[in-house]
Amino acid sequence: EAQVTQNPRYLITVTGKKLTVTCSQNMNHEYMSWYRQDPGLGLRQIYYSMNVEVTDKGDVPEGYKVSRKEKRNFPLILESPSPNQTSLYFCASSRTQNRGANEKLFFGSGTQLSVL
Amino acid sequence: LAKTTQPISMDSYEGQEVNITCSHNNIATNDYITWYQQFPSQGPRFIIQGYKTKVTNEVASLFIPADRKSSTLSLPRVSLSDTAVYYCLVGDVGQPDKLIFGTGTRLQVFP
Repeated sequence: EAQVTQNPRYLITVTGKKLTVTCSQNMNHEYMSWYRQDPGLGLRQIYYSMNVEVTDKGDVPEGYKVSRKEKRNFPLILESPSPNQTSLYFCASSRTQNRGANEKLFFGSGTQLSVL
Repeated sequence: LAKTTQPISMDSYEGQEVNITCSHNNIATNDYITWYQQFPSQGPRFIIQGYKTKVTNEVASLFIPADRKSSTLSLPRVSLSDTAVYYCLVGDVGQPDKLIFGTGTRLQVFP
């Protein structure tokens, strides 16, 4: 089944404790992206990647890191989490980086992160 | 920086047609307009996509005027299960790979 898999689904941590949220897709997609969702603010892009070893900042990259060493994986790293990073996170992927017809995003189920 | 603007919320009753408009004044020339639906605690899912004029699929229709500065998602005969948040998505005119979601429109369908 074609899907984007995020783990964990829920995560509670404390300020300053490094964490990684994993994202994997099995569709051979080139484009991958991370979003955070907060009440009243919709979906905001954190980082995106057009292909392996190519990443770029979205609208809210501060406090986050990503890597794209393999095509299928795009982990989100919080080196020193803070309470303002408490949010619902979504990973997404699409076939290519070309913004054309049929380039739709496939989303994971989300990771609810709480930083105490 | 491209930005999309949508109404924050809309109410409707079952069986009615719902039209949700999205404003995207700085859409990139080659970019398509894509709409997504999101239920609580789930990731958004694709509904419909278009470049210009009108597109229709089994779920919805999408109307795009010639200037492409806005688009309207039309949901015919909504049901309770259409209660969700609807987002339009376009690329940034300067960085088309940087995809910009708006704050979305929360549609509430009543019996």
